[in-house]
Amino acid sequence: DTAVSQTPKYLVTQMGNDKSIKCEQNLGHDTMYWYKQDSKKFLKIMFSYNNKELIINETVPNRFSPKSPDKAHLNLHINSLELGDSAVYFCASSQGSQFNSPLHFGNGTRLTVT
Amino acid sequence: KNQVEQSPQSLIILEGKNCTLQCNYTVSPFSNLRWYKQDTGRGPVSLTIMTFSENTKSNGRYTATLDADTKQSSLHITASQLSDSASYICVVSTSGGYNKLIFGAGTRLAVHP
Repeated sequence: DTAVSQTPKYLVTQMGNDKSIKCEQNLGHDTMYWYKQDSKKFLKIMFSYNNKELIINETVPNRFSPKSPDKAHLNLHINSLELGDSAVYFCASSQGSQFNSPLHFGNGTRLTVT
Repeated sequence: KNQVEQSPQSLIILEGKNCTLQCNYTVSPFSNLRWYKQDTGRGPVSLTIMTFSENTKSNGRYTATLDADTKQSSLHITASQLSDSASYICVVSTSGGYNKLIFGAGTRLAVHP
């Protein structure tokens, strides 16, 4: 009955590879996000989609491409992986703007690039 | 510069004891402040959200306070339990045209038996 689920939980890959992380929410929320948590534990927003439309795109390399087939899904595709991409990636959702509503996070995908 | 600073970085307490975590922010303009709990290997879970006009808000054994004048917030945990062991993250939301969430680095709390 996980509200926000993301797969895989762990992802180990080599530099230069392309990988995807999937996210689904069953809360009926209209907005979804991708956050990156670095080694210092700071969470930083990468992308936000509202009803399948991109509304936030922070300074993220264009190797990262989000895709939202419907408002319950937001996937993240990463091309040409680099060592610096190693981090924990969190998917989240909210009903309405994240600035006024609580975020509901998935349990994260730990990406390790070797 | 918009910043959220939390203290202490880490804290160890004995089960059953109370503790208070601090959050100072320099975010402006201010919209609201939230506290999240993040268990190891899990995503953050919302504990409270407080707007400018709210001084205190409780969620079970968790009580958050907000002083918008001094730009400080605290999270008080009463009668701690082993399951309270986690990181507690303070997040401040700005307003005024370019909305942004500013995250603190968290306080890592360990509750020992």
